[in-house]
Amino acid sequence: DAGVTQSPTHLIKTRGQQVTLRCSPKSGHDTVSWYQQALGQGPQFIFQYYEEEERQRGNFPDRFSGHQFPNYSSELNVNALLLGDSALYLCASSGHGGAGTQYFGPGTRLTVL
Amino acid sequence: AQTVTQSQPEMSVQEAETVTLSCTYDTSENNYYLFWYKQPPSRQMILVIRQEAYKQQNATENRFSVNFQKAAKSFSLKISDSQLGDTAMYFCAPSQGGSEKLVFGKGTKLTVNP
Repeated sequence: DAGVTQSPTHLIKTRGQQVTLRCSPKSGHDTVSWYQQALGQGPQFIFQYYEEEERQRGNFPDRFSGHQFPNYSSELNVNALLLGDSALYLCASSGHGGAGTQYFGPGTRLTVL
Repeated sequence: AQTVTQSQPEMSVQEAETVTLSCTYDTSENNYYLFWYKQPPSRQMILVIRQEAYKQQNATENRFSVNFQKAAKSFSLKISDSQLGDTAMYFCAPSQGGSEKLVFGKGTKLTVNP
């Protein structure tokens, strides 16, 4: 049974560029949440997707957007990258329409130069 | 807004000994879950243990157990018979009601010494 997978593992971008990160949930899970973890900090909630819609959003600007596909996989898009967007981006999936435990992927490390 | 406080930025313990990590939180929710996750140097976030707030019985998972005090909003993690592989950052994370949004503390860096 495959766990949560994320791609790519590492990514280097320059300021002003756009980036897309991808996540495939654990088998049987229908809800995907995204978190940003800056160095030395705990993860911060970006948003959560369920039934292809954004169900809840954290305190992140509109430059952060997402999408969920019919197969429950998800993308996180960040436009107009800033140096401060450099972080580990974690995807977590859960089942039962959002009532289950969240399981995390290995993360995508984004570096903005 | 929900807040989480982990008052011990760093802790160390000898192999085979017991250690307790502290966590307090603030929430206005009545139904919620509490989690401890560990993040080793690989940075993979791994679930350690889960507690349902409506349950009075403290959760246990092998060498890991919690002391959940709902009225005090306290949720500590006890690790018994510590092993070298327990070395990691440990995060306390209550969920925000049924929506499942996790709010993380700043973490406690645990080092298990041989």
